[in-house]
Amino acid sequence: QKEVEQNSGPLSVPEGAIASLNCTYSDRGSQSFFWYRQYSGKSPELIMSIYSNGDKEDGRFTAQLNKASQYVSLLIRDSQPSDSATYLCAIKLANQAGTALIFGKGTTLSVSS
Amino acid sequence: GAVVSQHPSRVICKSGTSVKIECRSLDFQATTMFWYRQFPKQSLMLMATSNEGSKATYEQGVEKDKFLINHASLTLSTLTVTSAHPEDSSFYICSANVLGTQYFGPGTRLTVL
Repeated sequence: QKEVEQNSGPLSVPEGAIASLNCTYSDRGSQSFFWYRQYSGKSPELIMSIYSNGDKEDGRFTAQLNKASQYVSLLIRDSQPSDSATYLCAIKLANQAGTALIFGKGTTLSVSS
Repeated sequence: GAVVSQHPSRVICKSGTSVKIECRSLDFQATTMFWYRQFPKQSLMLMATSNEGSKATYEQGVEKDKFLINHASLTLSTLTVTSAHPEDSSFYICSANVLGTQYFGPGTRLTVL
């Protein structure tokens, strides 16, 4: 059973703070890792992808991957109320085009102004 | 980024009727598309992988005779929910891979009365 685990939250942070979202996965063969943001009633939109151990930064977002610990995280700096959404962690077991993503249940983030 | 469209965005139907949902890749060709289903406050669950010119691959527990998938061209996959029942009410989302990244359509909200 391939699993992706996330704390459902809600995670509440004040505006301007750092939000830290965590995800663990069970399959050591996982190749690719993604963070999606999903607003209520909308489909997921890609925020970050990460493939190798370490940190990857894109604007206010930093993804961190530790394959040995089977752990991937997303940091959001200077959190804004518009960041309030559900964040989905997803993994891909292989890099073929025909491989689907496996999603966690998502963490709900609430940023208060 | 790549654009995936879905039609309709919202559909309400009576129990026992069939509903067709279209998923189109607008600016790229997709030999493989994925169909997900999301119930309220749940994560995305992969239903099936749609393959252009061949049969779809269904996930365990998904009835292939109830959820008919046709991928007749490189830009169009359709999902038909046959003899829909209230328990089929859900958010149906398609996606396609482009260079290792999965892009999602805007989703179709199905309500079966």
